Amino acid sequence: AQKVTQAQTEISVVEKEDVTLDCVYETRDTTYYLFWYKQPPSGELVFLIRRNSFDEQNEISGRYSWNFQKSTSSFNFTITASQVVDSAVYFCALSEARDDKIIFGKGTRLHILP
Amino acid sequence: KAGVTQTPRYLIKTRGQQVTLSCSPISGHRSVSWYQQTPGQGLQFLFEYFSETQRNKGNFPGRFSGRQFSNSRSEMNVSTLELGDSALYLCASSLGLAGEEEQFFGPGTRLTVL
Repeated sequence: AQKVTQAQTEISVVEKEDVTLDCVYETRDTTYYLFWYKQPPSGELVFLIRRNSFDEQNEISGRYSWNFQKSTSSFNFTITASQVVDSAVYFCALSEARDDKIIFGKGTRLHILP
Repeated sequence: KAGVTQTPRYLIKTRGQQVTLSCSPISGHRSVSWYQQTPGQGLQFLFEYFSETQRNKGNFPGRFSGRQFSNSRSEMNVSTLELGDSALYLCASSLGLAGEEEQFFGPGTRLTVL
């Protein structure tokens, strides 16, 4: 069965520090998709990235970067030089191609302190 | 381009009643998914509709049902409400299948069951 674990429930860092949010997943499927979403205090989830299981390239988008490692079933998310606006709950999610259901992790609440 | 809209934004019901929530996806999006978000269980997948057909369903009792209309608008119904149904109900739309593409989320309907 598919499962997503975000072991860090809550993280607090001081502004400008780098922070990594961990995501570990379980799946028996060889074809699957991984996602990260951000839920700011306003409440609406915002898509950050999608990665399919055949693309292990790391991705960088501005201050955000993602490290996908199939060998450890992890899809970690790093924010470089964090800013107060990065404060939010971040969700990692997984869907298997065979049934298209999306399973979300419990989320990591990130506090960036000024 | 208008985003995903959900109505109503807030609802208060009593146990045993039923409720219908509405979701209007982004124009052109064919997939609509519903999620339940609670502090204890996090974000849980309810069901996905694509071109008026339910593609899959999460682990929820039959009291939870939905449908999608030809214009892609979707409704979710919960019958015989229980206290545990109090939650934020989120709707998300995507161009293609939800498990493969970026989803756009609405602001949610906060349901309180007394």
